[in-house]
Amino acid sequence: SAVISQKPSRDICQRGTSLTIQCQVDSQVTMMFWYRQQPGQSLTLIATANQGSEATYESGFVIDKFPISRPNLTFSTLTVSNMSPEDSSIYLCSVIGDLVNSGANVLTFGAGSRLTVL
Amino acid sequence: GQSLEQPSEVTAVEGAIVQINCTYQTSGFYGLSWYQQHDGGAPTFLSYNALDGLEETGRFSSFLSRSDSYGYLLLQELQMKDSASYFCARGSSNTGKLIFGQGTTLQVKP
Repeated sequence: SAVISQKPSRDICQRGTSLTIQCQVDSQVTMMFWYRQQPGQSLTLIATANQGSEATYESGFVIDKFPISRPNLTFSTLTVSNMSPEDSSIYLCSVIGDLVNSGANVLTFGAGSRLTVL
Repeated sequence: GQSLEQPSEVTAVEGAIVQINCTYQTSGFYGLSWYQQHDGGAPTFLSYNALDGLEETGRFSSFLSRSDSYGYLLLQELQMKDSASYFCARGSSNTGKLIFGQGTTLQVKP
């Protein structure tokens, strides 16, 4: 299955600043997904990063707050803009991994970027 | 809706068997997956059911009943290293998008 490198692994940020998270995959993938996991919570899909077109955002997430780039089939970035303490979370990128039983619901995740906003 | 319900916490002893249940809303259902996440780690895939029945992968098995909108993860011969959070997740289409349950924290005691 794909190997995903994500950086930074963690950061402490000041309120009002922006931070860009990078996600590099060792193979070409059509879709990459960005998830957020708030402390002690579940994973919530932010958006699907599509190569060659704008990202597709889920309800409650907007491009101005979470701009995403997808310049090629192995790389994507997520920016968390104008951060507030409520943005303190783990941000994870993921790709579809090996197919099991011909299903498409197997995701491989990066190690995550743990952001703390002061 | 597309939400999933699972217990928040489960405790069991080493060597025992534990079952983690997951119920889901049926709208646009496309398969049920299970992921394990250790503290500070990334979620890792455990099992997937597209059709009714039991899928077995070593000590872990997963079951799905689409008519009951219900599934479970069965962990056998529990080990201390199985202490982690377990998430059920549903697909809403054949695109890889997943909606996760709130997670069940499993604590394995000696």
